[in-house]
Amino acid sequence: EAQVTQNPRYLITVTGKKLTVTCSQNMNHEYMSWYRQDPGLGLRQIYYSMNVEVTDKGDVPEGYKVSRKEKRNFPLILESPSPNQTSLYFCASGGRYTGELFFGEGSRLTVL
Amino acid sequence: TQLLEQSPQFLSIQEGENLTVYCNSSSVFSSLQWYRQEPGEGPVLLVTVVTGGEVKKLKRLTFQFGDARKDSSLHITAAQPGDTGLYLCAVKNTNAGKSTFGDGTTLTVKP
Repeated sequence: EAQVTQNPRYLITVTGKKLTVTCSQNMNHEYMSWYRQDPGLGLRQIYYSMNVEVTDKGDVPEGYKVSRKEKRNFPLILESPSPNQTSLYFCASGGRYTGELFFGEGSRLTVL
Repeated sequence: TQLLEQSPQFLSIQEGENLTVYCNSSSVFSSLQWYRQEPGEGPVLLVTVVTGGEVKKLKRLTFQFGDARKDSSLHITAAQPGDTGLYLCAVKNTNAGKSTFGDGTTLTVKP
């Protein structure tokens, strides 16, 4: 089954404790992207990757890191999480030259 | 300034009614996508529109891309409770990779 898989789905952590949210896709997509969704602010792009070893900032990259060492994986790293990073996070993938995106089920992160 | 303006923000209707939601911008796009998102889940792609004036139908949902490729609409005929959800329009720069979503229309269809 074609899918984008995120882990963990739910996480409660404390300020400053590094964490990684993993994202994996099995559709051989070149493009992958991370978003956060907050009430009243909609879906905002954090980082994206057009291909392996190629990443770029979206609209809200501060406090996040990403890497794209393999085509299928695109982890999101919070080196020192803060409460303002409490949010619902989505990973998505798609063809490099199309606008169509396929989303994971989301990861709800709470930073205390 | 929001790149994609969606209206209305909220819509609550009775089963069987028709409705239209809008996605507007001052920019021209090569394509535009519509997604539906249910609570606790990721957005699911409904359709892509590419050509100005294009109309696409997906069962009771009709999508239209404006002639100038700056706006789009989604019309639902005879809405059902299963249509309840957040409807999002989105665009992606296929050369540079940045993508933008509208704030969405939250639709509630009451039985």
